[in-house]
Amino acid sequence: DVKVTQSSRYLVKRTGEKVFLECVQDMDHENMFWYRQDPGLGLRLIYFSYDVKMKEKGDIPEGYSVSREKKERFSLILESASTNQTSMYLCASSPPRQTAEKLFFGSGTQLSVL
Amino acid sequence: QKEVEQNSGPLSVPEGAIASLNCTYSDRGSQSFFWYRQYSGKSPELIMFIYSNGDKEDGRFTAQLNKASQYVSLLIRDSQPSDSATYLCAVNAKTSYDKVIFGPGTSLSVIP
Repeated sequence: DVKVTQSSRYLVKRTGEKVFLECVQDMDHENMFWYRQDPGLGLRLIYFSYDVKMKEKGDIPEGYSVSREKKERFSLILESASTNQTSMYLCASSPPRQTAEKLFFGSGTQLSVL
Repeated sequence: QKEVEQNSGPLSVPEGAIASLNCTYSDRGSQSFFWYRQYSGKSPELIMFIYSNGDKEDGRFTAQLNKASQYVSLLIRDSQPSDSATYLCAVNAKTSYDKVIFGPGTSLSVIP
């Protein structure tokens, strides 16, 4: 089975802190994604990556950056956390481009910014 | 107009009944359609996908696609309390890159 592991299940940070959310997948998937999920808004794509060192902005990239130095690891960075970034963050991976839509999700990180 | 729309619910059905979940999308160029199930406090998991007009059955689940009307639905036959979850409709939007767009989800409650 595909395993997508997010480093923290719950995280509490203060406004202005730099926050790192880590995600590792063990199925050699090319594609990795970061979503945030908010009530009533569904899942919104923040950033994605189709290859090592490659990144593309999703729908709501403002205030975030990403890093993909190794194929299995995709990190989401909040440069200066703000209260409106309090959310559930979900990492996902998928097989090669032709079947990129079939997403496998990690268990999520509930981030609270105070 | 939102790209993928779903009734937020909650949708309540008695155990053993058919649950019908609906989704509409705005991009006529969409090619691939997915249903994810998300239990409370858990991450989404893919349960069905459909690419062609018509019905696709998998056990108690049937996905239905009508591209002309731009809607996709999920039927759950013989609903069980364990089916109580939020169901997310997702659509592949063919833009400059493959991107999956999610609807807000429909909460389903199956009453014993």
